[in-house]
This record gives sequence, structure tokens and C-alpha cells, in this order.
Amino acid sequence: EAGVAQSPRYKIIEKRQSVAFWCNPISGHATLYWYQQILGQGPKLLIQFQNNGVVDDSQLPKDRFSAERLKGVDSTLKIQPAKLEDSAVYLCASSQTPVGAKNIQYFGAGTRLSVL
Amino acid sequence: DQQVKQNSPSLSVQEGRISILNCDYTNSMFDYFLWYKKYPAEGPTFLISISSIKDKNEDGRFTVFLNKSAKHLSLHIVPSQPGDSAVYFCAASARAAGNKLTFGGGTRVLVKP
Repeated sequence: EAGVAQSPRYKIIEKRQSVAFWCNPISGHATLYWYQQILGQGPKLLIQFQNNGVVDDSQLPKDRFSAERLKGVDSTLKIQPAKLEDSAVYLCASSQTPVGAKNIQYFGAGTRLSVL
Repeated sequence: DQQVKQNSPSLSVQEGRISILNCDYTNSMFDYFLWYKKYPAEGPTFLISISSIKDKNEDGRFTVFLNKSAKHLSLHIVPSQPGDSAVYFCAASARAAGNKLTFGGGTRVLVKP
């Protein structure tokens, strides 16, 4: 079974530029998540989709970050304009629709973003 | 406000011995707990989980213990192997909050041959 695919793996940009990340979840997984992981910290949820609808975007800095999941499969996360503090690894995860409390998320390898 | 904390940033253990990783949480609504393992340049990989209705779950060399009254969980790895060297994250979720995961800061484990 193919895992969560993300691209690009690395991206270096200058501040105020824009950048986009792509994610293809595990086939059949209805729920998709974007996380930001700053060096030395655990992943922090940015946005959660259920199919193509947003479930939770309370932690997404909406003045500069946007995300979409057209057709309920692939997703893109965009930052415009980027700031120095956006340097982090951006992780995409997917899961089947949670059954009760159980919710195991499967992660992609991430995109490491450096903002100079 | 860190709802999930891993107070030990690193742990060094000899091959064949037990590794014990600890995690504390503050939110009493959490009802599902997971451990993830992360190698450099890779995404976190699911390791083992436990529901709040249990106090122990075992899978091969890995056992997770949950103490709800203390709001504490631990991961035991026995015996530890060099390939276990990685960063381990504990995570927790609450059904009432849409099952979203809240992660701890991670513990780096080094298993010495």
C-alpha cells in the first residue's frame, strides 16, 4: 500500500516570496491533515480536512496560509508571503474516518522549508 | 499551554536494556494516546496506541502503559536495539475535540551497541 506522498522534499525561498506544498494521501483516507514542525518541537496541527471540507483550521495563520483539498483527495498548502519564522518541516498526514476515539494518522516524509 | 509534555529531551541506553519514555498530559478529555517514532528526514511513523479504557497495550518489544489518575503514559522498549535510535513523540486526542492529535515535544533515544 502506498504511503502519504509529499512534494517537494526541500524548498528554499526568500522572505516575502510565496511557496506551495502538495500532498497525496493514502488511498481511501477521508481525513487529511497539515502540520507544522519547528525544529526541536512536536508537530502542530494547521488544518484538518474531512473529504474536501475543512474540519479545523483554528491554528492556521489565515493572513498568509491557505489550504485546499479539491475533489477530496490531493491537497495543497500555500504560504504567501513567507516570513522567517515559517522555516519548518511541513508534514501531511491522512487517516480513515475515526471510529470512536481511535484515530491513527499516517504521515508523509514532509517538506523542509527554509526562509532566508 | 502545552497539553502534552515529554520532559526528557533525550535518553541514552545500552543495547539489550530497557528504554522507558515518559509523557504527561493535562487535558482530562484526552481518550486516545499514541506513540510515533521519527528517523531523520522521514515523517513520524505510528508505533503503538492505547485507549483510555485500558491501562496497558503490548506489541512485540513495545508496551505502552497508561495511568489516567496521574495523567501519565510511558513507553517501554525491551530489549532496546540500535535501530530503535530515533526521536519518539507521544500524542493524545479527544473524541470531543474531533480526534485531532496534540503532540509532545519528543524524546531523542540513542541505543548504544
